[in-house]
Amino acid sequence: GQSLEQPSEVTAVEGAIVQINCTYQTSGFYGLSWYQQHDGGAPTFLSYNALDGLEETGRFSSFLSRSDSYGYLLLQELQMKDSASYFCAALYNFNKFYFGSGTKLNVKP
Amino acid sequence: GAVVSQHPSRVICKSGTSVKIECRSLDFQATTMFWYRQFPKQSLMLMATSNEGSKATYEQGVEKDKFLINHASLTLSTLTVTSAHPEDSSFYICSARGGRQTYEQYFGPGTRLTVT
Repeated sequence: GQSLEQPSEVTAVEGAIVQINCTYQTSGFYGLSWYQQHDGGAPTFLSYNALDGLEETGRFSSFLSRSDSYGYLLLQELQMKDSASYFCAALYNFNKFYFGSGTKLNVKP
Repeated sequence: GAVVSQHPSRVICKSGTSVKIECRSLDFQATTMFWYRQFPKQSLMLMATSNEGSKATYEQGVEKDKFLINHASLTLSTLTVTSAHPEDSSFYICSARGGRQTYEQYFGPGTRLTVT
């Protein structure tokens, strides 16, 4: 499968802004999704980028640069409930999704 | 809309037995279903891609004779773990794709398998 790299863990305080980066392999790449997963639960969809640029959805934004094979998820006004694992997932060949290694976000008071 | 169910949510079985996990799309037709496994605090690893009416495509390193996948209809896919061993204990999650958008996949709640 394809390899996607993310930082393993990030810690931030309530109200802060945090950016989670993701690099991916380009062969067959079509687009990049982001998912949130709480312990013991299923992933929930956050965003998707097929084109370069920033997509904003409330407190969460996602960015893609195809020329740099890089994307990020930006979380603003952090809340305690945002503590979870975040995964980037790349769509390859219109057909299948490969997930990144995951970033555990710890939000502290 | 776009609800995916999995059954069972938890299962404990003995070594050497087989376990079947069902994945259903409840309110849409899933042209493609995916099976993932996830070990604690690790990523989701794609095991196989399943299209209705055809054989599943397995990822490299996944034993197709051990993890039998059947996608018999547009709303049902099954994963059977045959001759289970303790190392097969994991969280198995399915997802289904059938929405208008290429990127949309909807996840089931997952099945926690424990092999004793």
